Amino acid sequence: EVLLVESGGGLVQPGGSVRLSCVASGLTISSHGMSWVRQAPGKGLEWVSAISYNGGSTYYAEAVKGRLITSRDNSKNTLYLQMDSLGVEDTAIYYCATGGWMGIFSYEYMDVWGQGTPVTVS
Amino acid sequence: QSALTQPPSVSGSPGQSVTVSCTGTGSDVGGYKYVSWFQQHPGKAPKLIIFDVNRRPSGVPDRLSGAKSGNTASLTISGLQFEDEATYYCCSYAGAYTYVLFGGGTKVTVL
Repeated sequence: EVLLVESGGGLVQPGGSVRLSCVASGLTISSHGMSWVRQAPGKGLEWVSAISYNGGSTYYAEAVKGRLITSRDNSKNTLYLQMDSLGVEDTAIYYCATGGWMGIFSYEYMDVWGQGTPVTVS
Repeated sequence: QSALTQPPSVSGSPGQSVTVSCTGTGSDVGGYKYVSWFQQHPGKAPKLIIFDVNRRPSGVPDRLSGAKSGNTASLTISGLQFEDEATYYCCSYAGAYTYVLFGGGTKVTVL
């Protein structure tokens, strides 16, 4: 079974930091670009960031540029999101997903999602 | 950049068809074939149901179909079933700067 499992969320004070992890099983993430997508309480989906299959390129939504850093460790089959200078507007469930990246040949779609990890800034 | 524009809600009776629109610009929906749709039930993760405007992943019923005309994409659910009651999001690649945009979501209610 293909699974993505996020962890690291919780309650954070404004201005604080948190690091999210996304561990994959049943698939090797080294052949996939990966993304983070968030969903504020009662709101819609918002793409946050993407990273190329080898970590060589990263992409961020304007709202998070300079505060969030996406990285990956393919040897651990794990994706990370370092979140700094958090504000109440960052309160959301954070999902990791495969794809969401313009790959070498074509756009890769977000076809495998984790269950999400909640981050509350208060 | 603003999210893609979707109607907040649509509804239909079992067996009927409903269509959800998704309006963007020439820099996103209109400029690329990379439009996808996601279905999300309450408390669950989104599920990819349409990609490349009108292609379905394995296991998605052919009652769900996608299309695009100009800057507007659409999702049609035919033969509406109670299990189709969910929120649907469109998504488009939006170029090297904005990158990826989602629509605001449309809640589909089966009456």
